[in-house]
Amino acid sequence: EPEVTQTPSHQVTQMGQEVILRCVPISNHLYFYWYRQILGQKVEFLVSFYNNEISEKSEIFDDQFSVERPDGSNFTLKIRSTKLEDSAMYFCASSLAGNQDPTQYFGPGTRLLVL
Amino acid sequence: AQKITQTQPGMFVQEKEAVTLDCTYDTSDPSYGLFWYKQPSSGEMIFLIYQGSYDQQNATEGRYSLNFQKARKSANLVISASQLGDSAMYFCAMRVSNTGNQFYFGTGTSLTVIP
Repeated sequence: EPEVTQTPSHQVTQMGQEVILRCVPISNHLYFYWYRQILGQKVEFLVSFYNNEISEKSEIFDDQFSVERPDGSNFTLKIRSTKLEDSAMYFCASSLAGNQDPTQYFGPGTRLLVL
Repeated sequence: AQKITQTQPGMFVQEKEAVTLDCTYDTSDPSYGLFWYKQPSSGEMIFLIYQGSYDQQNATEGRYSLNFQKARKSANLVISASQLGDSAMYFCAMRVSNTGNQFYFGTGTSLTVIP
C-alpha cells in the first residue's frame, strides 16, 4: 500500500542553523501539507501546497519557513534559522484531491530537536 | 471559527470490551469532514475513519465506527472488541470545505487497553 515517507526520522540541530525536512508524498496525490506537533500538544497545521504553490498557511508559517517541490516526488520544509521553540514532530501529509477525497495520509514524522 | 474538542485526556478499557472516545466540533459551515487518527507511542499518525457532513449513514471501518450526531455536533469514535494494540493516542480532526484543506485537530485522548 502506498505511503508517505519522511526523512530523516530524527534531526538534532543547533539554534540558528537551517534544517530541511524531506517528504515523499503518495505518488498520485495532488495536495501536500506540513503539520507540527509540539511534545504533548495537538497537531497544528503549517502549510498546504497545490499546483506548485502555497494554497494556505497558518500564522505559525512565518518567513522562517519555506516549502518546495524540487522535483516530481519530493516535498520539503525548510526552516532558515531554527529557534528552540521549533522543536517538535513535523508531519508531512498528502491527499488525492480536495473535496472528492479529503483524507490526508500522514508520514511517520521527523522529530526535530533544536539545542 | 472552527474548533474540535476532545474532553477525555485519558481512557481505560478492558481487553475485548468496546470503548467510545468523544469528539465534539464547532463550525458554521454545512460542508465538512470529520476524521479520526491513531498515534501509537512510535509517533506516526494512522488514519482510521472518515465521516462527511452529508453522509446519511455512520461510517464504519472494521472494528471502528463513528457515531455521528449532527444536531449535537458530535463525532464519537467507537472501538469494538478492544485489543492491546489499540493502546495509543487518538485524535479527532475536522476539515471545513470553505476554509480550504487544512485539518483542525483536537487535543487527543490517550487510550490504554488493560489485559
